[in-house]
Amino acid sequence: DTAVSQTPKYLVTQMGNDKSIKCEQNLGHDTMYWYKQDSKKFLKIMFSYNNKELIINETVPNRFSPKSPDKAHLNLHINSLELGDSAVYFCASSQSEGRHEQYFGPGTRLTVT
Amino acid sequence: DQQVKQNSPSLSVQEGRISILNCDYTNSMFDYFLWYKKYPAEGPTFLISISSIKDKNEDGRFTVFLNKSAKHLSLHIVPSQPGDSAVYFCAADSIQGAQKLVFGQGTRLTINP
Repeated sequence: DTAVSQTPKYLVTQMGNDKSIKCEQNLGHDTMYWYKQDSKKFLKIMFSYNNKELIINETVPNRFSPKSPDKAHLNLHINSLELGDSAVYFCASSQSEGRHEQYFGPGTRLTVT
Repeated sequence: DQQVKQNSPSLSVQEGRISILNCDYTNSMFDYFLWYKKYPAEGPTFLISISSIKDKNEDGRFTVFLNKSAKHLSLHIVPSQPGDSAVYFCAADSIQGAQKLVFGQGTRLTINP
């Protein structure tokens, strides 16, 4: 059983398109995150949601809009894709009470041409 | 401004010997530190963590040491095994950060037979 899953694993699209990445966790966690790993391999947080509420929004362009239909899902929609959006996007989840490790999905490699 | 730094992009160690991965941080508000391991095309996997109230935490072959005065932590793996070959990320969190992990850029560890 996959704890944190993401679809698709690879996404190739043209500039200006709109795309979505889906994330689901079956760990019973109530906090979920999106991270971006850029070409320099830095992993940076973009958003976090706790029980479907936005907790962290790290100065991400408005073209990025997370949606959490329930606490087991956190999808990422990207409008008007740009070349600089090419990266690997990781979803993660954790418990919210106390200090807990985050569990990561396998990543989605987005390539914008 | 990079608050968590892993200054060695790569490290090569012989099988059976000790691997020591280093991490430095600048933000004195960080009080919880984690190490993650990442294989190609997979998401980061949690290895071990340490709270700032401790200076050492051990889990099997993995030990993390924290030197708060130097703002430095290290991960020791002993004995090193071929399966330990991966990229290792150091991450830090603060109570104000609400589980907003700040990652270093990673160190690629290669274990040679």
